[in-house]
Amino acid sequence: DTGVSQDPRHKITKRGQNVTFRCDPISEHNRLYWYRQTLGQGPEFLTYFQNEAQLEKSRLLSDRFSAERPKGSFSTLEIQRTEQGDSAMYLCASSRGAGSHTEAFFGQGTRLTVV
Amino acid sequence: GQNIDQPTEMTATEGAIVQINCTYQTSGFNGLFWYQQHAGEAPTFLSYNVLDGLEEKGRFSSFLSRSKGYSYLLLKELQMKDSASYLCAVSLNTGGFKTIFGAGTRLFVKA
Repeated sequence: DTGVSQDPRHKITKRGQNVTFRCDPISEHNRLYWYRQTLGQGPEFLTYFQNEAQLEKSRLLSDRFSAERPKGSFSTLEIQRTEQGDSAMYLCASSRGAGSHTEAFFGQGTRLTVV
Repeated sequence: GQNIDQPTEMTATEGAIVQINCTYQTSGFNGLFWYQQHAGEAPTFLSYNVLDGLEEKGRFSSFLSRSKGYSYLLLKELQMKDSASYLCAVSLNTGGFKTIFGAGTRLFVKA
């Protein structure tokens, strides 16, 4: 297993377009997280899955954002009607275990630029 | 609300010791993580504390005081490659295991 994989690595889109990102977690990991990171800031929590169930979604996230993990394996994050403020690095992370001591392994991220 | 505070930047000399502090105010606590993030790269796990006290791992140690909402990361024998951002993160007891991050501390190691 080569770790958490994200695709694409970079995406440039025009304002108003929809974009979709994919994350393939480490295969035995049942938890999957999406974060957004802007320059000089820490990762900001977006949403979290345990297997295929989306257990929590940030209240900061507008209805333009949606995430799925249909079979409890890979996940997609879609942003509809993109805005310039959506420009950021989108990070996916996965972890395993039933307790809290489960460090997350991060992918290299998808850098989104909205022009 | 949830709040995690860290210094924005620190500078230290190669071979020295540096302590990066983190204070948190959160509703629910399942543990505290430290991650390292080099510029343009993904965060990587350094340490985890859930009980009060010091956890040592090679050149890196992390301390937690739950009653004070305080942690620190101690880096010994600094090397140039330790120049990076250090992220303090808290796992929340929200029914799941949501983890939130501080803004990070950028550490510059100079020769």
